[in-house]
Parts: sequence; structure tokens; C-alpha cells
Amino acid sequence: EDKVVQSPLSLVVHEGDTVTLNCSYEVTNFRSLLWYKQEKKAPTFLFMLTSSGIEKKSGRLSSILDKKELSSILNITATQTGDSAIYLCAVASDQGGKLIFGQGTELSVKP
Amino acid sequence: GAGVSQTPSNKVTEKGKYVELRCDPISGHTALYWYRQSLGQGPEFLIYFQGTGAADDSGLPNDRFFAVRPEGSVSTLKIQRTERGDSAVYLCASSLVLGGMQYFGPGTRLTVL
Repeated sequence: EDKVVQSPLSLVVHEGDTVTLNCSYEVTNFRSLLWYKQEKKAPTFLFMLTSSGIEKKSGRLSSILDKKELSSILNITATQTGDSAIYLCAVASDQGGKLIFGQGTELSVKP
Repeated sequence: GAGVSQTPSNKVTEKGKYVELRCDPISGHTALYWYRQSLGQGPEFLIYFQGTGAADDSGLPNDRFFAVRPEGSVSTLKIQRTERGDSAVYLCASSLVLGGMQYFGPGTRLTVL
């Protein structure tokens, strides 16, 4: 059965800290891995990583895909209170368009 | 442009009742997806459409759940004989093509009393 696991499930840090969120997967016919940020209800897209694009960076956020270890990390440097959210990792396989999500990591950044 | 919209934003119903949840995808997006998110969990796939047809409904939990997309745009998720365990946020997403980037709506929070 396809599975995506995230760790830690929750994390509390102070402004200015650097955090690393983890995602591991077991998926048949892997196609891509995506990171979303969820505040309130709608997940918003952060990064998509594929075999041809294993590292992405946007401002203070960056992500790396390790296809050998079947995992990915999301790094956030110099955290701000506005980074507080649930971060979701999802994997798409070649078997259609559905995404398989992990449980999410709830990040809380204290001032 | 307008994103994915969902109505209602909140729905409270009684056990045994029938509910309909609506999703308006981004204009021109051919693929539409439904997910369900329970408290403290990630979204769980329910069904997706390519055009008007349900391409994969393997995530629907049982035959009380049904979804339609008659004209290839708006979709309705229908739940019959609701149970307390159906309480969750129901998320809809759309993508330009099947397998493309999925853009999510704000969801409908369903509470079954």
C-alpha cells in the first residue's frame, strides 16, 4: 500500500531558528513529490520535486528530494511567526492524478 | 484570476441526513479532485474527474458517497445517510490537465451531529 510519512508531527521554535521537516514515502511508480503549506483550510503549493528537479529554493524555504532514500526534506531558515502552519508532503504516482498525503507537520513559530 | 471555490464553507447536519457539497474549479481546468481531511490528518483522496467522467473513484469510503461533474466544470459531492464519522473538511482541487499542479479550494467543513 502506498504510504507517505512525515516527521516530526509537531514542532515549536522561536523566531530566527532554522527548521527541517522530513518526509519519507513508499509509492509505486513515483512521479513527483510536492510540499504544501496549510493555514486555516486551503493547502497552498510550495514546491514540486521530480527526478529531473531534485532541489528547489524560494527565499528562506528550500527542499531536496533523495530518490535513493525515498525521502525529502523541507528547510526553513530564519523562521518568522508567519511561517506557523501545517506543512504537508504529498506524492504523485504514474497511476493517475491522485496525491497521497502525509499526516502533516504542525509548525509553531513563537516571537 | 479566480481560484477554486467551494460552497458552503460550513455545513452542520444531523445524522441520517443527505448533504451536497459544491466545487467550482479554476476556469479551463479539465481535472478535478476531491479529498477529505480529518482533524490532525493529511488530506485523503476520494475521487477525481477528467472532464465529465470519474477517472478514479477508489477513495470513496462506501456507497453513501457519490460525486458528479455533468458538464465538465462544477462538481457536486453527495453524501447520503450521513454519519458522525463523516465529519471532516472536504477539499476540492483542480488542475489544468490530469496529473498537473493541483490548486486547492478553501474546503467545506462538514459537521454531523
